[in-house]
Amino acid sequence: AQKVTQAQTEISVVEKEDVTLDCVYETRDTTYYLFWYKQPPSGELVFLIRRNSFDEQNEISGRYSWNFQKSTSSFNFTITASQVVDSAVYFCALSERDGATNKLIFGTGTLLAVQP
Amino acid sequence: KAGVTQTPRYLIKTRGQQVTLSCSPISGHRSVSWYQQTPGQGLQFLFEYFSETQRNKGNFPGRFSGRQFSNSRSEMNVSTLELGDSALYLCASSLLGNTNEKLFFGSGTQLSVL
Repeated sequence: AQKVTQAQTEISVVEKEDVTLDCVYETRDTTYYLFWYKQPPSGELVFLIRRNSFDEQNEISGRYSWNFQKSTSSFNFTITASQVVDSAVYFCALSERDGATNKLIFGTGTLLAVQP
Repeated sequence: KAGVTQTPRYLIKTRGQQVTLSCSPISGHRSVSWYQQTPGQGLQFLFEYFSETQRNKGNFPGRFSGRQFSNSRSEMNVSTLELGDSALYLCASSLLGNTNEKLFFGSGTQLSVL
């Protein structure tokens, strides 16, 4: 069964520290997509990054980087030089192709608190 | 370009009532999905609509229903409300609802059932 696990419930860091959010997933699909979304207190989920299953090149986008390891089914997300505005709940999600449409399977989220 | 708009932002109902939530997707997006977020169950997929047709539904009872109009706007309805239906209901839109597409979410409707 498709499943996404975020073992870290809460993380607290001081501004300018680097922080890595862990994500482990399970899927029977050979082609799939993984996402990270951020949910600030306002409620809406904001897309951060997307990774397909067939390209293991890791990338950096500004202060964000990610480490995709297909062998260990992990998709970790790193924020470099964290800022107070990064404080939010971060969700890892797996896109599951179910019939005619895709739906996201979300992890339980990691609450990140960045202290000034 | 306007984002996804959900109305109302907050709603308080009592058990047994019914409720209708509205979602206006980003202009040009034809796929609208709904998710329920609760502290206990997290984010769970409710259903997805594309061109006025429900293409997929999550594991929710028949009290949860929805529809999509020709302008892609969507509504979801919950009948015979139960205390456990208290949640943040999030709507998301994308161009076609394909597996690789990122979703654009609204700010949600916070439903409280008393």
